[in-house]
Amino acid sequence: DAGVIQSPRHEVTEMGQEVTLRCKPISGHNSLFWYRQTMMRGLELLIYFNNNVPIDDSGMPEDRFSAKMPNASFSTLKIQPSEPRDSAVYFCASSLNGQGYNEQFFGPGTRLTVL
Amino acid sequence: GESVGLHLPTLSVQEGDNSIINCAYSNSASDYFIWYKQESGKGPQFIIDIRSNMDKRQGQRVTVLLNKTVKHLSLQIAATQPGDSAVYFCAEKGEAGGGADGLTFGKGTHLIIQP
Repeated sequence: DAGVIQSPRHEVTEMGQEVTLRCKPISGHNSLFWYRQTMMRGLELLIYFNNNVPIDDSGMPEDRFSAKMPNASFSTLKIQPSEPRDSAVYFCASSLNGQGYNEQFFGPGTRLTVL
Repeated sequence: GESVGLHLPTLSVQEGDNSIINCAYSNSASDYFIWYKQESGKGPQFIIDIRSNMDKRQGQRVTVLLNKTVKHLSLQIAATQPGDSAVYFCAEKGEAGGGADGLTFGKGTHLIIQP
């Protein structure tokens, strides 16, 4: 089975540019999570969806960040405009959230560098 | 100025020895805990989980202990192997339902297996 798929794996862009990160969750999973990992702050939850509906976006840093999940098999995280401090590894994870205890499966991440 | 990154605790053990990685959590309402392993350049990988109604759970070569009184979690790895070298994160989740499905990660411990 394919795990969580993220694209691109690496992204280098210039400050001010729009960046779109993509995620395909594991088929059948109904919860999707976006995390960011930096040396300064470790792993942080940005936003998560249940059944394609955003549930908690309190971790989204600011209005420059937005996330969508138009269907059960695809989600995007967009940064517009990007800034150097957005440089990080962005992980997408999915789970089958039946009883709320199921493990989250992480994708390989997208390493974003904003120059 | 130069950014100061997280200084991860490091645990160095000899191959074949047992290792214990500790984690303190802060939310007394957390009812589900997970240990993840992250190798360089990869996403976190699930190792083992435990619910708050348990104090011990065993997997293959791994054991998780939960002490709710002092809000402490530990991961024991038996007979460590070179492939166990990675950063290990504990993660906690709040009560199931109510939107508290995202994980809160600890800062991580870098486990180094010496030959």
